[in-house]
Amino acid sequence: DAKTTQPPSMDCAEGRAANLPCNHSTISGNEYVYWYRQIHSQGPQYIIHGLKNNETNEMASLIITEDRKSSTLILPHATLRDTAVYYCIVTRGAQKLVFGQGTRLTINP
Amino acid sequence: DSGVTQTPKHLITATGQRVTLRCSPRSGDLSVYWYQQSLDQGLQFLIQYYNGEERAKGNILERFSAQQFPDLHSELNLSSLELGDSALYFCASSGGTYQETQYFGPGTRLLVL
Repeated sequence: DAKTTQPPSMDCAEGRAANLPCNHSTISGNEYVYWYRQIHSQGPQYIIHGLKNNETNEMASLIITEDRKSSTLILPHATLRDTAVYYCIVTRGAQKLVFGQGTRLTINP
Repeated sequence: DSGVTQTPKHLITATGQRVTLRCSPRSGDLSVYWYQQSLDQGLQFLIQYYNGEERAKGNILERFSAQQFPDLHSELNLSSLELGDSALYFCASSGGTYQETQYFGPGTRLLVL
């Protein structure tokens, strides 16, 4: 699985959009970009995933660059409950997930 | 609620003991994955089962074993426990076919004293 690079921490004001970057320059053509988050010590929560097109669901939007070497997770209107560690994972699917250190996102009131 | 259940939520035991952690996957999911999260190692993959068969193994210790039963629930057995085995243990399930999202349970917090 390709390695990902994320900033260790970010801050965002409540109500603003939170943009979390991820670099995955060695991604293969058949690998997807997945985002999970972990709130405190709860189980990781699936957010969104994509292959090459931008994706949006009720939780977030995922923007993948045309060369697929990086992506951005967007939480459009961050709330205090979005404070968590966010993990960007590249995987072919149906196999183990390799978690890095993630980005600790803090939403400030 | 992911639909994945794990029991027990908390477990406190002594070194040298053996424990069993249980995971029930989402309805219809064939694959179960086990992960360990300790303070110094982060989230680490242990083992995957698909429809009762072992499919992949990670850095799982020989003292640890797992199985998936015909009803698709899975158990992770940890024996000869050491202090360093104290961690959160998560299971996840997926449909098992290519490109299926893994959904995680709430975890079991194990404390070895």
